[in-house]
Amino acid sequence: GESVGLHLPTLSVQEGDNSIINCAYSNSASDYFIWYKQESGKGPQFIIDIRSNMDKRQGQRVTVLLNKTVKHLSLQIAATQPGDSAVYFCADHAANFGNEKLTFGTGTRLTIIP
Amino acid sequence: DTGVSQDPRHKITKRGQNVTFRCDPISEHNRLYWYRQTLGQGPEFLTYFQNEAQLEKSRLLSDRFSAERPKGSFSTLEIQRTEQGDSAMYLCASSPTSGVPSEQYFGPGTRLTVT
Repeated sequence: GESVGLHLPTLSVQEGDNSIINCAYSNSASDYFIWYKQESGKGPQFIIDIRSNMDKRQGQRVTVLLNKTVKHLSLQIAATQPGDSAVYFCADHAANFGNEKLTFGTGTRLTIIP
Repeated sequence: DTGVSQDPRHKITKRGQNVTFRCDPISEHNRLYWYRQTLGQGPEFLTYFQNEAQLEKSRLLSDRFSAERPKGSFSTLEIQRTEQGDSAMYLCASSPTSGVPSEQYFGPGTRLTVT
């Protein structure tokens, strides 16, 4: 079946450095890909999304890249800060009519080292 | 700006008991979703409402699970005859009908522990 998975379960980055979190997906019918941030004891927080017809989208200190050829998604966080420490999930939304669910990957724990 | 709220935040129950969770979505959001999240995993979709209509249910939602959204505002998720395998974080999310379908706003979750 369809799945969204992450390459690395943990990532440690020095404060101020850039971080890249990777994700692989398998559902070719996905129309949106999304990154969520989840801090301990909280629900996932929407960071940024990208439509399937785009290759790159930038937000504030974050950039998402989509490579449909190899079904790969990445989240780049620039100039990391201690508040960026969290678990990051990629998710996809399928373009099937009436199907509004998101399918999440396992997550990558990002730790910012002061 | 009031986000999605869930109640209770924590629930400890004995196996076999029934539990009910409540979700209050962002007020102008028509769509409401329930997800379940176990430790170290991403959220898994359970069910989805458009206003008061339950439009989709996951195979994860066994007969012991029932969700309602009677007036198209708040929603409840009930688990009957709880089992230890039901222990998880139950997350509610909402989104506006006219918005990007992927932009779902999550509540803080209800952590259920079945002993």
